[in-house]
Amino acid sequence: DGGITQSPKYLFRKEGQNVTLSCEQNLNHDAMYWYRQDPGQGLRLIYYSQIVNDFQKGDIAEGYSVSREKKESFPLTVTSAQKNPTAFYLCASSMIQYGYTFGSGTRLTVV
Amino acid sequence: AQSVTQLDSQVPVFEEAPVELRCNYSSSVSVYLFWYVQYPNQGLQLLLKYLSGSTLVKGINGFEAEFNKSQTSFHLRKPSVHISDTAEYFCAVTGRANQGGKLIFGQGTELSVKP
Repeated sequence: DGGITQSPKYLFRKEGQNVTLSCEQNLNHDAMYWYRQDPGQGLRLIYYSQIVNDFQKGDIAEGYSVSREKKESFPLTVTSAQKNPTAFYLCASSMIQYGYTFGSGTRLTVV
Repeated sequence: AQSVTQLDSQVPVFEEAPVELRCNYSSSVSVYLFWYVQYPNQGLQLLLKYLSGSTLVKGINGFEAEFNKSQTSFHLRKPSVHISDTAEYFCAVTGRANQGGKLIFGQGTELSVKP
């Protein structure tokens, strides 16, 4: 079955550490996205990529980095510069006639 | 640029009653519109989408929505809700001109169905 796989489901980060969240899709979608979800704030866009080797900042890109070396993969790194990284992170991909398809999310907690 | 306002943060309703979740959007260009549902600790599932054509869109789980261009609204309705519809619902918009562009979300509406 086609879909988006996010891993891990739960992730713990120590202060000052960088961590990388994985997102893989087998839908053959060109565009991929990373959103951050906090209670009561909806979903906010971190980064998105419309084609391989290209990506754009979203509304809250500071403290995050991404790469898009393959069509199927769009990993997100949460750097030590992100001061409040505890959140639920959602990856998505899109082909407009099918809408945007979301993964099951990664919950990141700072310990 | 686009923006979305979901007019109710919480909607409590009794089982088998009708429900409407309200969504208004703002955009300087033509748009595509979506409703998603999220159950606790899960990703988002697409309920329905408006791309073009009929302004009344039917989705999964008995939900439907009506696109009203003059009022810039895309309200979600269900004639009779079940306990299992308890979840958070998100309205979202993207501009037609830039396919693959960013999807902008509302703040979400928490639907609570009580027996």
